[in-house]
Amino acid sequence: NAGVTQTPKFRVLKTGQSMTLLCAQDMNHEYMYWYRQDPGMGLRLIHYSVGEGTTAKGEVPDGYNVSRLKKQNFLLGLESAAPSQTSVYFCASHKLGQGANQPQHFGDGTRLSIL
Amino acid sequence: QQQVKQSPQSLIVQKGGISIINCAYENTAFDYFPWYQQFPGKGPALLIAIRPDVSEKKEGRFTISFNKSAKQFSLHIMDSQPGDSATYFCAASIEGSGGSNYKLTFGKGTLLTVNP
Repeated sequence: NAGVTQTPKFRVLKTGQSMTLLCAQDMNHEYMYWYRQDPGMGLRLIHYSVGEGTTAKGEVPDGYNVSRLKKQNFLLGLESAAPSQTSVYFCASHKLGQGANQPQHFGDGTRLSIL
Repeated sequence: QQQVKQSPQSLIVQKGGISIINCAYENTAFDYFPWYQQFPGKGPALLIAIRPDVSEKKEGRFTISFNKSAKQFSLHIMDSQPGDSATYFCAASIEGSGGSNYKLTFGKGTLLTVNP
């Protein structure tokens, strides 16, 4: 049972390049999230998904797109990378609760640098 | 607009001491308050959580104190150990029925260092 796996772990991009970050979870969770973590800023929600085929914007969605074609996978795309997108990206997931919050399970992050 | 304010930004405590991290929230609709612990190079992990129907919750050396009227909650780590050195995040959310989302609003984090 791997939990939440993020690919890749590290990446360096040039401004204007595109890339996709992959998040995979093997816990059959309905909810999935993408956050970015910057020094002194905490965790900020980029996009999230409440189920296969559905996505929604979070707090800082600009410059990112997401897709949830399969329940176990949540992809985060950068179409034209900018230096401001240099960050550590975390994916999280949790199961559907019966009216109650369930713990979010986080991956170990993708460290992305945009030059 | 920062909905969850966390302080201090960093904290240094001696082994065996008490670590206290405070959070204040603005949205009175919040009704779920978790704390997450993050070690370097790892993702955050749920440490302990409280709902506003109780004023305190204790799990081992970790205690959450909750003051609904002041819209504040805090994490107390008793007998702090070097292994507790990590970044701690408070968060808040609104619980709902099926179909609702459970988005967490995080504080900015507190870097705790426990010296031997």
